[in-house]
Amino acid sequence: KNEVEQSPQNLTAQEGEFITINCSYSVGISALHWLQQHPGGGIVSLFMLSSGKKKHGRLIATINIQEKHSSLHITASHPRDSAVYICAVLRGGNNDMRFGAGTRLTVKP
Amino acid sequence: GAGVSQSPSNKVTEKGKDVELRCDPISGHTALYWYRQSLGQGLEFLIYFQGNSAPDKSGLPSDRFSAERTGGSVSTLTIQRTQQEDSAVYLCASSPPPPGTTQYFGPGTRLTVL
Repeated sequence: KNEVEQSPQNLTAQEGEFITINCSYSVGISALHWLQQHPGGGIVSLFMLSSGKKKHGRLIATINIQEKHSSLHITASHPRDSAVYICAVLRGGNNDMRFGAGTRLTVKP
Repeated sequence: GAGVSQSPSNKVTEKGKDVELRCDPISGHTALYWYRQSLGQGLEFLIYFQGNSAPDKSGLPSDRFSAERTGGSVSTLTIQRTQQEDSAVYLCASSPPPPGTTQYFGPGTRLTVL
């Protein structure tokens, strides 16, 4: 079993829909990152969380440390949100990262 | 520059040759990370530097891989006697102190081993 599991692997939505991507992890962590990778390959860090909830524009990320679970939500999705979203955890006690396999999101106009 | 830069952007080499990949982090960022993304695969952690020190090198795939960082800034990832399975995009990221803060990714170096 991977240390970081994401679901779904692939997600297709219509423009305007509310999107949720889930991430579960099995190791102790000091922080969790949500990353966005566009088709050209560039990676952007969206959020870094160690507790609670963060919001940036239409993006919301939450984390439940007790349940070892995080979610990334996109409200009013748009075709430009189409990308691979990657959950990554910074392991507690180390500074190495473990990555989920990514969720490929396609938002259709 | 404003962001993390990596060079070269593309590298094609023959099996058995050595290659050196370079990462210039954002000025003032004390932490530097190297990752690898093979074609169609997820991201894989290779090594982390805090300053010039790499506390844990266990993520490096084999002893053909080495990395160093000098002056708390530029880092080089060296792959000796390259193999076809080394073909991947090698990504560098840096972050400011303290550890665990947001990482800023470079554009990557696409390595192709023929």
